[in-house]
Amino acid sequence: SQQGEEDPQALSIQEGENATMNCSYKTSINNLQWYRQNSGRGLVHLILIRSNEREKHSGRLRVTLDTSKKSSSLLITASRAADTASYFCATASGTYKYIFGTGTRLKVLA
Amino acid sequence: GAGVSQSPSNKVTEKGKDVELRCDPISGHTALYWYRQSLGQGLEFLIYFQGNSAPDKSGLPSDRFSAERTGGSVSTLTIQRTQQEDSAVYLCASSSDREKLFFGSGTQLSVL
Repeated sequence: SQQGEEDPQALSIQEGENATMNCSYKTSINNLQWYRQNSGRGLVHLILIRSNEREKHSGRLRVTLDTSKKSSSLLITASRAADTASYFCATASGTYKYIFGTGTRLKVLA
Repeated sequence: GAGVSQSPSNKVTEKGKDVELRCDPISGHTALYWYRQSLGQGLEFLIYFQGNSAPDKSGLPSDRFSAERTGGSVSTLTIQRTQQEDSAVYLCASSSDREKLFFGSGTQLSVL
C-alpha cells in the first residue's frame, strides 16, 4: 500500500496566488521529501524535511511537517505559470525505500 | 556531470515478448531505485539496490519482473512475457546519500 496520499488531487489557481498541497502518510518516517514532475517523466527534488524538523523554507517553497498527525504541507507562494506540474511527496522509514504519494496536479493560470 | 540515463526512451512490444530496460545511474551513486508510473497515477515502488546489500524486491508485482545491478552501477529491469497491464513509464532514480533522489527521464513501455 502507498505510504503517502496527496490532497487535493488537482488544484487550479491564478498566477500570483499561493498554492497549498497536503500529504498524509501512515508510519513513522526518517524524512519527507517533495518532488515536482513535468510532462509525466522524470521527477525533480524540491525540498527535504527531517522527522525532527517542523518547518523548512527554500525560495518560494515552505514545507511543514506534523509527525503527530503524520502529515505535511507544501506551500508555493506567488505562483507562476512555470509552476504548473504534478507534485509528489515521498517518505521513507528505516530502510530508505522511498514510497511516493498519488500526487497533486497543479495548474497555474496566467 | 551526466544525470541518470535510461534507455530506450520508448519501447513498443507485443504481448508475450520479453523486454529489457536499462538505467545508468550517476557515477558514484550507491543507491538505485526502479519505479513504475501508469498514466495519470502516482509512482509504484518496484525495487531498491543499496551498495552490495541484497536488493529490496518487495515491490515487484510478479515473478515476470526481475532486476539486476552489475558492478554496483548499471541496472537492467527485465519483464518477461509482457502483458498489456505492464504498459507504463518505468522510472529509475539514483542517490548518493539515500536522501535526494535523481531521476532519469523514464522509459515509456507500450505492450500491444
